[in-house]
Amino acid sequence: GNSVTQMEGPVTLSEEAFLTINCTYTATGYPSLFWYVQYPGEGLQLLLKATKADDKGSNKGFEATYRKETTSFHLEKGSVQVSDSAVYFCALSADGGTSYGKLTFGQGTILTVHP
Amino acid sequence: NAGVTQTPKFQVLKTGQSMTLQCAQDMNHNSMYWYRQDPGMGLRLIYYSASEGTTDKGEVPNGYNVSRLNKREFSLRLESAAPSQTSVYFCASTKTQGIGEKLFFGSGTQLSVL
Repeated sequence: GNSVTQMEGPVTLSEEAFLTINCTYTATGYPSLFWYVQYPGEGLQLLLKATKADDKGSNKGFEATYRKETTSFHLEKGSVQVSDSAVYFCALSADGGTSYGKLTFGQGTILTVHP
Repeated sequence: NAGVTQTPKFQVLKTGQSMTLQCAQDMNHNSMYWYRQDPGMGLRLIYYSASEGTTDKGEVPNGYNVSRLNKREFSLRLESAAPSQTSVYFCASTKTQGIGEKLFFGSGTQLSVL
């Protein structure tokens, strides 16, 4: 079956530090890959996505590149802010049939950014 | 512009009690989903409805039932609550089931079963 593995957390950084959150996946075929973010007390929001190999998703200074050869979709940001403190989820959507809307999520990584 | 609305936001039940979690979306989306979120496990799909009139099991359906009441509403029912169902429940929707479709999530229901 499909699975997503994220780096162990929590991650604590100082403001303006570089962020990397690792994500690797196992899936058959050609899944779409996503990063969702959850701010305290809220539901998840889509941060960025990539639907085919070598695509780069980007939003709000965050980037992730779909690497099929390493089955990875690592999230990066060059300079984090306090407002980036949240839980980040890597997820995939399997291809084929009617399964596109059903996501398989990683366990989530808690990010805390200090001033 | 409400998006996906879930009620209630918080609920405490005793073991064996029943309850229904309500979800409604105002974006004219075709597909709706129920997920549960547990610490260290990410979100897991309970049930989904690809379109009005259809429902299917997800990864962890045991102990739950769903109803797609109409295009807007998708409810989740716990017939006999168990402590293992203590979790945060999220409803989500998508316009279609196309490749890379974005999910829109509600703000969640925090359920405790004592």
